[in-house]
Amino acid sequence: GEDVEQSLFLSVREGDSSVINCTYTDSSSTYLYWYKQEPGAGLQLLTYIFSNMDMKQDQRLTVLLNKKDKHLSLRIADTQTGDSAIYFCADGTYGGATNKLIFGTGTLLAVQP
Amino acid sequence: GAVVSQHPSWVICKSGTSVKIECRSLDFQATTMFWYRQFPKQSLMLMATSNEGSKATYEQGVEKDKFLINHASLTLSTLTVTSAHPEDSSFYICSARDLRFEGSTNEKLFFGSGTQLSVL
Repeated sequence: GEDVEQSLFLSVREGDSSVINCTYTDSSSTYLYWYKQEPGAGLQLLTYIFSNMDMKQDQRLTVLLNKKDKHLSLRIADTQTGDSAIYFCADGTYGGATNKLIFGTGTLLAVQP
Repeated sequence: GAVVSQHPSWVICKSGTSVKIECRSLDFQATTMFWYRQFPKQSLMLMATSNEGSKATYEQGVEKDKFLINHASLTLSTLTVTSAHPEDSSFYICSARDLRFEGSTNEKLFFGSGTQLSVL
């Protein structure tokens, strides 16, 4: 079946850039997503990228997609302490009732002041 | 933005009892809701897809008689863990898709804040 993998932990200093990496196995992926999970809160969609794109930028967030290597990354510029959270990448297929998400294990981002 | 309310946030119960978890879409209607469980340091695993007015679709390996799902209205889905045992202790999260975007991509999929279940 489909599999999505992430490293478990990343620590950065405030003001630095953070890069969270993700690999996936499903070659039929249509969209790939990044979610943020803060303690006691639901998952919040940060951004997503269509599989025929290489890059998407949204303010401090930059998503890079290497479809050949099935590698996805999320770069957070000027990381702030409020960015500390767990970040999940998710692989989604497009279409009707079969539209469901396969999540990675999540990467805990710790931002040191 | 759209809000999905999940209740309770946490529950502790004795082994053998049943626990009901509610997932409500507060400002939109959802014909499809999803139930996930998450073990520590592991990813969210999809358990089942809840369909309003019809039977839920369970993922392989998930016992339908153990995890009862009822999606009786366009704003409410419930997950009942029957005869809970310590191995059922986990974090359960629901998500709901705004039915105006049914069949579209997942940016209109909203998550609840989760329920931490501890079975003693």
